[in-house]
Amino acid sequence: GQQVMQIPQYQHVQEGEDFTTYCNSSTTLSNIQWYKQRPGGHPVFLIQLVKSGEVKKQKRLTFQFGEAKKNSSLHITATQTTDVGTYFCAGPWRGSTLGRLYFGRGTQLTVWP
Amino acid sequence: NAGVTQTPKFQVLKTGQSMTLQCAQDMNHEYMSWYRQDPGMGLRLIHYSVGAGITDQGEVPNGYNVSRSTTEDFPLRLLSAAPSQTSVYFCASSRGGGTEAFFGQGTRLTVV
Repeated sequence: GQQVMQIPQYQHVQEGEDFTTYCNSSTTLSNIQWYKQRPGGHPVFLIQLVKSGEVKKQKRLTFQFGEAKKNSSLHITATQTTDVGTYFCAGPWRGSTLGRLYFGRGTQLTVWP
Repeated sequence: NAGVTQTPKFQVLKTGQSMTLQCAQDMNHEYMSWYRQDPGMGLRLIHYSVGAGITDQGEVPNGYNVSRSTTEDFPLRLLSAAPSQTSVYFCASSRGGGTEAFFGQGTRLTVV
């Protein structure tokens, strides 16, 4: 069954509005990674968070890792049309010797001008 | 530096045919994986490998075989194609388990 949940599945915003996607794991993660996939493209790594409660920023993007290392969020301030795509979270379970990544199903962001 | 290279980019198969999707990486990564992506289903792991000679099943392995004879190559074999295998396939590599994954451009497969 689904181990990493992501909501919402779809989000449509007008350019300039904010956007947030949430990621929840059934198991404590060693780290959380975020990927972006443009329409017709392949997933591209954005960032990795490792520490409990960690917050990182990349320009208009803010990433958080929860205190329990089971949830995470990605917030985009003032969306632009270039933000269009699907955002995936992924992480390996804490204690996993193989470090297999478990992906959420992604949030598909549409931005209209 | 090419990264992860997948071939072919597009393929149409008839039901029952077999084929191999190629994946090669030039980053000397130990960890390689195959995913399939279907609408609304995200990325589902088919098989993965933690090093040459070592492979294991992911969540949707049925109908697919893999082998890892070298660090660079990780081919995915469809034994007898079925319409349910129509999907976009991505190969990924990473330095180790749980680290940043680099994805190939994908192979769009249609089985008719």
